Amino acid sequence: GESVGLHLPTLSVQEGDNSIINCAYSNSASDYFIWYKQESGKGPQFIIDIRSNMDKRQGQRVTVLLNKTVKHLSLQIAATQPGDSAVYFCAENGSGNTGKLIFGQGTTLQVKP
Amino acid sequence: DVKVTQSSRYLVKRTGEKVFLECVQDMDHENMFWYRQDPGLGLRLIYFSYDVKMKEKGDIPEGYSVSREKKERFSLILESASTNQTSMYLCASTSRGGFSTDTQYFGPGTRLTVL
Repeated sequence: GESVGLHLPTLSVQEGDNSIINCAYSNSASDYFIWYKQESGKGPQFIIDIRSNMDKRQGQRVTVLLNKTVKHLSLQIAATQPGDSAVYFCAENGSGNTGKLIFGQGTTLQVKP
Repeated sequence: DVKVTQSSRYLVKRTGEKVFLECVQDMDHENMFWYRQDPGLGLRLIYFSYDVKMKEKGDIPEGYSVSREKKERFSLILESASTNQTSMYLCASTSRGGFSTDTQYFGPGTRLTVL
């Protein structure tokens, strides 16, 4: 079945270091991917997205990389700050234009001062 | 900026009560979604709606119903609350067209406790 997974449940990094959060997806028909950030007690917040016709997309301090060959998605956060501590989810749109998303379980990012 | 609001951040109800969770979005989005989020289970889709008065079952619709009388408002109803419905409930919305068709924007969530 369809699934979107993250490789590590928890990632701990030092403040100022770069963080890389990984995600594997299984549906080769997915052509749209999103990264969300969820802070404790809040709803998921959109960070960045990427379409399958791109390999890389950059935002402010964040970069998303897409490797369609191995169905892998990653989120890179430059100069990680304490405010980046949160759970990060990847999501894919799956097959068909349903408007629904398939979400991964999430990776908890802990930033050590 | 897209804004999705939910009527309550925290709610405590008793078993058997009827519970209404309200969600409002201000971006004229066609699609709206209700999820529940539980530790270890991630986000699970309860119901979604493509348009006014239209609804579709998600992955876990049992024990829930929804109402969409106006485009901006999507309500989740627990007809008779049970303790296993204690959860974080998240509403989301998305537009139907354009590059960001599938980006879902979430509300802040309602933490529901059923005693």
